[in-house]
Amino acid sequence: DIQMTQSPSSLSASVGDRVTITCRTSQSISSYLNWYQQKPGKAPNLLIYAASSLQSGVPSRFSGSGSGTDFILTISSLQPEDFATYYCQQTYSNSRAFGPGTKVDIK
Amino acid sequence: QVQLQESGSGLVKPSETLSLTCTVSGASISSHYWSWIRQPPGKGLEWIGHISHSGNTNYNPSLKSRVTILVDTSKSQFSLKVTSVTAADTAVYYCARDRLDHEALEIWGQGTVVTVSS
Repeated sequence: DIQMTQSPSSLSASVGDRVTITCRTSQSISSYLNWYQQKPGKAPNLLIYAASSLQSGVPSRFSGSGSGTDFILTISSLQPEDFATYYCQQTYSNSRAFGPGTKVDIK
Repeated sequence: QVQLQESGSGLVKPSETLSLTCTVSGASISSHYWSWIRQPPGKGLEWIGHISHSGNTNYNPSLKSRVTILVDTSKSQFSLKVTSVTAADTAVYYCARDRLDHEALEIWGQGTVVTVSS
């Protein structure tokens, strides 16, 4: 099955920082990659679908790029409400696996 | 707006069957794919499977032998059954709706805690 990795597993950043999170897959998945944000005690929230398409209602400071096996989520200017855990998910194979997550906290 | 609400047994004994229902309001269930996802305490997300309004299903191969997802369009509900549960099935269980044009979980329920314990 397709293995998912995310790096870093956690990071500390300040408000206003540019943040990048990487998701890698063990085989090519074209652009079948989504990004979610999850805050403690809450359901995940879809940010990016099809690797680079911004979900309606999501601020434009979030962007996604990549295809094949390497994908990036970028937050152009980190806001206080962005401190959360971020997950990638592939929808190429039957497992629809999520990555292990990246926790973004306050420096 | 579209809302999803999970309901069902919060405590299940080992070896028994976990049963949950997701009720959809604010939109027809007669389109889209409808998914179940779970998250063990302090851990990441695991996709369980999904169903279309017409009953077409796909399951995570790691759970396929124990999972059944059904849809009842007359009640705007879809359901999840997991048989032969163990402590490893203890998790928050979420239901969610995929986008119509691309598989991505755009609307989620609030989640329900299921504990497997005797």
